[in-house]
Amino acid sequence: GESVGLHLPTLSVQEGDNSIINCAYSNSASDYFIWYKQESGKGPQFIIDIRSNMDKRQGQRVTVLLNKTVKHLSLQIAATQPGDSAVYFCAENEAGGSNYKLTFGKGTLLTVNP
Amino acid sequence: KAGVTQTPRYLIKTRGQQVTLSCSPISGHRSVSWYQQTPGQGLQFLFEYFSETQRNKGNFPGRFSGRQFSNSRSEMNVSTLELGDSALYLCASSLMTGLRTEAFFGQGTRLTVV
Repeated sequence: GESVGLHLPTLSVQEGDNSIINCAYSNSASDYFIWYKQESGKGPQFIIDIRSNMDKRQGQRVTVLLNKTVKHLSLQIAATQPGDSAVYFCAENEAGGSNYKLTFGKGTLLTVNP
Repeated sequence: KAGVTQTPRYLIKTRGQQVTLSCSPISGHRSVSWYQQTPGQGLQFLFEYFSETQRNKGNFPGRFSGRQFSNSRSEMNVSTLELGDSALYLCASSLMTGLRTEAFFGQGTRLTVV
């Protein structure tokens, strides 16, 4: 998986703008991907997932795009709100099949300015 | 529906001691995974249990162990604590039935080793 460290990538947007958070994953055999949101003092909160047989999936105000060719995942948040401010993590399931071994990216800190 | 419950929320232990953390998954969920989160290393996979069997294991020393009970509740144990074990320990549960494979996290147990 990606190396992680003290310095998170950051993204600062204005309220109402669209946000795009990117993630590069490491294992070409990973077949399931999840985006999580983590607010300070809380556990990661499930946002949206996608399987490797898809390249796009939409939820409420969120869209996940998967590009397996370049091993890239993105999360798009429409009409970003102050409550969206948090650290966002992508995770890949390296176990494959129906069991879990999630590897997380380093995370991106999203700050939404009112 | 109750979420994933982790106890205790906070814990302070001395080097050399051992600790047991508990996780109650969402009702009906059979897969329980454990993760360690630190500022330096981010979220790292410890192990995953399903139907009382460990299916996957991360790259942690043997001091880290876990188990799952018949009611899917899980415990993890860390023996001979080291200062570097100070972290947020997170538990995630998943239904793991067909396409319902989302993993939901608890609030975590904040372990401080002094």
